[in-house]
Amino acid sequence: DTGVSQDPRHKITKRGQNVTFRCDPISEHNRLYWYRQTLGQGPEFLTYFQNEAQLEKSRLLSDRFSAERPKGSFSTLEIQRTEQGDSAMYLCASSSAGSGTHHSGANVLTFGAGSRLTVL
Amino acid sequence: AQKITQTQPGMFVQEKEAVTLDCTYDTSDQSYGLFWYKQPSSGEMIFLIYQGSYDEQNATEGRYSLNFQKARKSANLVISASQLGDSAMYFCAMSRPINDYKLSFGAGTTVTVRA
Repeated sequence: DTGVSQDPRHKITKRGQNVTFRCDPISEHNRLYWYRQTLGQGPEFLTYFQNEAQLEKSRLLSDRFSAERPKGSFSTLEIQRTEQGDSAMYLCASSSAGSGTHHSGANVLTFGAGSRLTVL
Repeated sequence: AQKITQTQPGMFVQEKEAVTLDCTYDTSDQSYGLFWYKQPSSGEMIFLIYQGSYDEQNATEGRYSLNFQKARKSANLVISASQLGDSAMYFCAMSRPINDYKLSFGAGTTVTVRA
């Protein structure tokens, strides 16, 4: 397993268009997360899945945003009617519930390289 | 609300020297976890080190150590023997409670290692 994969790495779109990002987590990880990172800031939590269930959505996730993880494996994040304020890096991460992946038992998130969105 | 503060926007360090990155956090909870991640220009967030609020000893992972001062609510990262490949953004993050699935990140510190 090569880690968390995200596609596309870069997307340039015009305002009003729809975009979709895909995330393939580490195969044995049942938890999946989406974060958004704007320039000069740290990542901000968007949403969290355990298996196929979406258990939390941040208030940052407006009605134009929808995330799915239909079979508990890969996930998609769709943004409808994009706005210039949606321009950001969208990071996906995964982790393993229960004992975690760190020797301390901490829930350590493994991140992908991100999908950078530019809305013109 | 929990808050992570990283006051150093950018730092320069000479190769082979040590550098300390500051992180303070604000929570009234007793149970929390503190993380440091590195983000090189490629964009991927790389986990470096973790400290649980109940851990009495400072965490160490190779050249990384975490100076945890609970009373001061600080969790500074020390990178020893800096290498050119250490040039990156470094983020401090907190989970609350200790094994929560959600992380809150600081704004980050840019480290540039000079040869």
